[in-house]
Amino acid sequence: DTAVSQTPKYLVTQMGNDKSIKCEQNLGHDTMYWYKQDSKKFLKIMFSYNNKELIINETVPNRFSPKSPDKAHLNLHINSLELGDSAVYFCASSTGHHLPYGYTFGSGTRLTVV
Amino acid sequence: GDSVTQMEGPVTLSEEAFLTINCTYTATGYPSLFWYVQYPGEGLQLLLKATKADDKGSNKGFEATYRKETTSFHLEKGSVQVSDSAVYFCALFSNSGGSNYKLTFGKGTLLTVNP
Repeated sequence: DTAVSQTPKYLVTQMGNDKSIKCEQNLGHDTMYWYKQDSKKFLKIMFSYNNKELIINETVPNRFSPKSPDKAHLNLHINSLELGDSAVYFCASSTGHHLPYGYTFGSGTRLTVV
Repeated sequence: GDSVTQMEGPVTLSEEAFLTINCTYTATGYPSLFWYVQYPGEGLQLLLKATKADDKGSNKGFEATYRKETTSFHLEKGSVQVSDSAVYFCALFSNSGGSNYKLTFGKGTLLTVNP
C-alpha cells in the first residue's frame, strides 16, 4: 500500500488551462502539505493543512487553491496555468504540524505547461 | 526567516570515495535538522536527523553532527557506492511556533557515484 499517493504522475497541459492534482494518505496523519520543486531541484512549501484547516499559505499566487475534504486528502487546483508553473509538485503528510517527525512524501506529479 | 544553504552541486565521485556535503542554516530558536534523499523518480525519504546541539544522526553509513556554534550540519560518508547516487537535501524544522512550524529545505545537491 502506498502511504502517500498522488495522481496523476505526469500532467502535460496548455497555458491557460485549469488542472487538479490529487493526494491521498493512508497513514492516519493529521497534517498534509504541498511542496513545489523547480527545475533546479529547489523545494519550497506552498501550503499545509492540519485536520482540514489551512495552516501555512506561502506567498503562492491565488491561481493555486488547495482543498482538503477530509484529513486524508489534500488536492491542489491550479487555474489559468502559466509556463512558470511547470515543476514537480510533491504532496506530503506528517503526524502533526508542530512535530518535526514522520514526514512522508509522495512520488511527485510532474506538471509541464506548454 | 529560516534558511538552509547547501554546497552547490553536482558532485561526482568514484566508488569508495569519501563524501562531504556542506550545510549551514539560519534559524531562530533551536531547530531540528535533517538530511533527506531523493532517488531518481521518487519522493523524498528521511536519511537522518538530529534534534539538539552535538547530536549525531546516522543511517546507512551516512553521518551528520548538529553544530550550534558553526550553525552547520554537514553530511559525510566514508565510502560511497553507486547506489548512493541521488539528490541530497538538508532541511530544518523550526520550533518557533505558529506558521513557522514547517520543513525548510536547502537547494539540494546532486551526487553521482561512478563505478
